[in-house]
Amino acid sequence: DGGITQSPKYLFRKEGQNVTLSCEQNLNHDAMYWYRQDPGQGLRLIYYSQIVNDFQKGDIAEGYSVSREKKESFPLTVTSAQKNPTAFYLCASSRRLAGDTGELFFGEGSRLTVL
Amino acid sequence: AQSVSQHNHHVILSEAASLELGCNYSYGGTVNLFWYVQYPGQHLQLLLKYFSGDPLVKGIKGFEAEFIKSKFSFNLRKPSVQWSDTAEYFCAVNALWGGYNKLIFGAGTRLAVHP
Repeated sequence: DGGITQSPKYLFRKEGQNVTLSCEQNLNHDAMYWYRQDPGQGLRLIYYSQIVNDFQKGDIAEGYSVSREKKESFPLTVTSAQKNPTAFYLCASSRRLAGDTGELFFGEGSRLTVL
Repeated sequence: AQSVSQHNHHVILSEAASLELGCNYSYGGTVNLFWYVQYPGQHLQLLLKYFSGDPLVKGIKGFEAEFIKSKFSFNLRKPSVQWSDTAEYFCAVNALWGGYNKLIFGAGTRLAVHP
């Protein structure tokens, strides 16, 4: 079945450590996204990528980094510079074309807790 | 800047009660509108969407939403809720921004339905 796989589901890290969250999709979508979900704040866009080897900062990119070396993969690194990293992280994908539906397909999320 | 407002953060209803969740957006251009739902322990999934045409759209599980352009609103309704509708509901607007599909989410509404 086509879909988006995020791993790990749960992750605990100490302060000051970088962590990388994995996101893989087999939907053949060009565009991929990372959102952060906090209670009462909805989903906020961290980074997005429309094509391989290209990505753009979203609304809250500080303290995060991404790469897009393959169409299927869009890993997110939460660096030690991120001041409040404990959150639920969601990866999503969509077809690329502007004027498209804009409908996103989401993974199940990764919950990061920094101790 | 574009934004999406969901006025009710928490809603508690009894089964068979009617539901209306408010959503207002601020964006002057052409928009596509969405409602996503996140059931407990599950990933975000699309409930319904509006692109053009009939402003009253029907989605899965008996939900519907009405697009009122003059009010910049896209309220979600269901005539009779069930316990299984307990979930978090997110309104979203797709704004075409620099050729990219940028999906902007509201803060979400947590719905609890009591038997």
